[in-house]
Amino acid sequence: GEDVEQSLFLSVREGDSSVINCTYTDSSSTYLYWYKQEPGAGLQLLTYIFSNMDMKQDQRLTVLLNKKDKHLSLRIADTQTGDSAIYFCAVRNSGYSTLTFGKGTMLLVSP
Amino acid sequence: DVKVTQSSRYLVKRTGEKVFLECVQDMDHENMFWYRQDPGLGLRLIYFSYDVKMKEKGDIPEGYSVSREKKERFSLILESASTNQTSMYLCASSSYKKGGGTYEQYFGPGTRLTVT
Repeated sequence: GEDVEQSLFLSVREGDSSVINCTYTDSSSTYLYWYKQEPGAGLQLLTYIFSNMDMKQDQRLTVLLNKKDKHLSLRIADTQTGDSAIYFCAVRNSGYSTLTFGKGTMLLVSP
Repeated sequence: DVKVTQSSRYLVKRTGEKVFLECVQDMDHENMFWYRQDPGLGLRLIYFSYDVKMKEKGDIPEGYSVSREKKERFSLILESASTNQTSMYLCASSSYKKGGGTYEQYFGPGTRLTVT
């Protein structure tokens, strides 16, 4: 089945850019997603990208997709302390309604 | 906005008890999902349902069952709770659109279950 890998931890200073990376194995995946989870809460959808796109920008968020390398990244510009959370990469399983999630990257933003 | 609600935020049960976790969504979504989230293991899919009375096993169905009698409601049942089922349980829903759709899932706030 699909496998999704993320680094577990990222620490940045307030005002810097953050880049969270994700790799996946199924080259036929059509939709790829980024979710944010704040402490004690459920997952909140941040953005998604369709596999025929290379890039998607939404305010401070930029998603880059490299299909050849099966690599997805989320860049957060001007990172704020309120961005501290766990970020999950998820990939739609080909032909199904289910998603496979990475284990999550904990982003810590220090003042 | 899509709203997914879960019956309890925190639950404490004893070993051997039967436990019901309820999830309700208000967006007429066809698909509903139950996950458990554990530190270091991420989200693991327990069961999902793509229609009323339909269910499919996910990656870790052992020790769990589900019920979907109405489109908006999906219940997770622990027939005989055990300590290794102490976890955060997350419910999600998504829409199915014939011919296309983005399949994003919307999550409830989670139920933190402790089995003692």
